[in-house]
Amino acid sequence: NAGVTQTPKFRILKIGQSMTLQCAQDMNHNYMYWYRQDPGMGLKLIYYSVGAGITDKGEVPNGYNVSRSTTEDFPLRLELAAPSQTSVYFCASSYEAGVRNEQYFGPGTRLTVT
Amino acid sequence: RKEVEQDPGPFNVPEGATVAFNCTYSNSASQSFFWYRQDCRKEPKLLMSVYSSGNEDGRFTAQLNRASQYISLLIRDSKLSDSATYLCVVKDTGGFKTIFGAGTRLFVKA
Repeated sequence: NAGVTQTPKFRILKIGQSMTLQCAQDMNHNYMYWYRQDPGMGLKLIYYSVGAGITDKGEVPNGYNVSRSTTEDFPLRLELAAPSQTSVYFCASSYEAGVRNEQYFGPGTRLTVT
Repeated sequence: RKEVEQDPGPFNVPEGATVAFNCTYSNSASQSFFWYRQDCRKEPKLLMSVYSSGNEDGRFTAQLNRASQYISLLIRDSKLSDSATYLCVVKDTGGFKTIFGAGTRLFVKA
């Protein structure tokens, strides 16, 4: 059981480049999330999805886009990368969004924009 | 004021010590509360949920004080393997808005 997987683990981008961070889960979870974590800071929600075809903005969505064509996959797209997007990106999933539901996290993608 | 505030530490304690962390939250309507553990350069993992009546899981005890809007985590008989960052997490009514604190770093030394 792989849980939540993310690729790549590391990436260096030049300013203005674009890339897609991949996230997949095999737990049949309806809800998926993208967070970023800056050094010494808490995780901040970028986007979330409640099911295939349904996504919504979180706290810090600017500069990112998402899609959810299947239950399993939730890619995050960075367009025109900027140094401010240097961060660690975590994907997470949960069976429900209810207040008691645990979120399971992937191992993260470390992105540097120079 | 931050929505969730934690003392960043670090807390440096010897093995076997008891250590406690507090976390304050600003939204009185917050519905659920968690402690996550994050090892260096790893993903967060759920340590325990925090219930109104308080709850215990082995050496770990979590308490919620709604009147004062804080939650606490007590670790008894600290182990070297407890060294990590402990994240306080608060959810709103809908469950989508999950606010993470910046974390409290704990170092347990032999």
